[in-house]
Amino acid sequence: GAGVSQTPSNKVTEKGKYVELRCDPISGHTALYWYRQSLGQGPEFLIYFQGTGAADDSGLPNDRFFAVRPEGSVSTLKIQRTERGDSAVYLCASSPQGGGTEAFFGQGTRLTVV
Amino acid sequence: AQSVTQLGSHVSVSEGALVLLRCNYSSSVPPYLFWYVQYPNQGLQLLLKYTTGATLVKGINGFEAEFKKSETSFHLTKPSAHMSDAAEYFCAVSASGAGSYQLTFGKGTKLSVIP
Repeated sequence: GAGVSQTPSNKVTEKGKYVELRCDPISGHTALYWYRQSLGQGPEFLIYFQGTGAADDSGLPNDRFFAVRPEGSVSTLKIQRTERGDSAVYLCASSPQGGGTEAFFGQGTRLTVV
Repeated sequence: AQSVTQLGSHVSVSEGALVLLRCNYSSSVPPYLFWYVQYPNQGLQLLLKYTTGATLVKGINGFEAEFKKSETSFHLTKPSAHMSDAAEYFCAVSASGAGSYQLTFGKGTKLSVIP
């Protein structure tokens, strides 16, 4: 596709369940980012991939959060034992290379934990 | 470390009036600065960015911003507001150099345009 695609667009899950959020970056973009946007806040950095490896995961809030990008393209953000505080919009972005270049954002996945 | 403060969570202007959205930043290293716009149910779209060089940066849709190091500001302006400018605007900063991939966003300013 032409842009960054995120699926699902909406996800409602029960507290304690496991969820996976998917991101398809723009073809050829080596850098991929995950951000989380809580209500009334700006996006907050979670993790940055350069190729297949996580170059910086310092923004992941705790060990319930994990992300992979096994083939250097599609990425999955995984959240275990979800909590109500995890409810937010999860944004994915990609760029041709890391650092200073324009990051193209997807529409986000709205996660609601009930 | 970097931080961003956007003054005014909500700004209203009349159609045809000047748009001014304020952004102040804090950075321990020379910054890269960005403005993104978010329309309802859409992803963030880059309006403009400053990395190096000319401090007055022109972006899409008639917006521009000026990097003022002495004031640690990067305010966004547009001479004449249009109804289609109604959206939420986010200012963001990153470190230059090795840390430039990580954006730190402000809380956003929602712009309303009154006909």
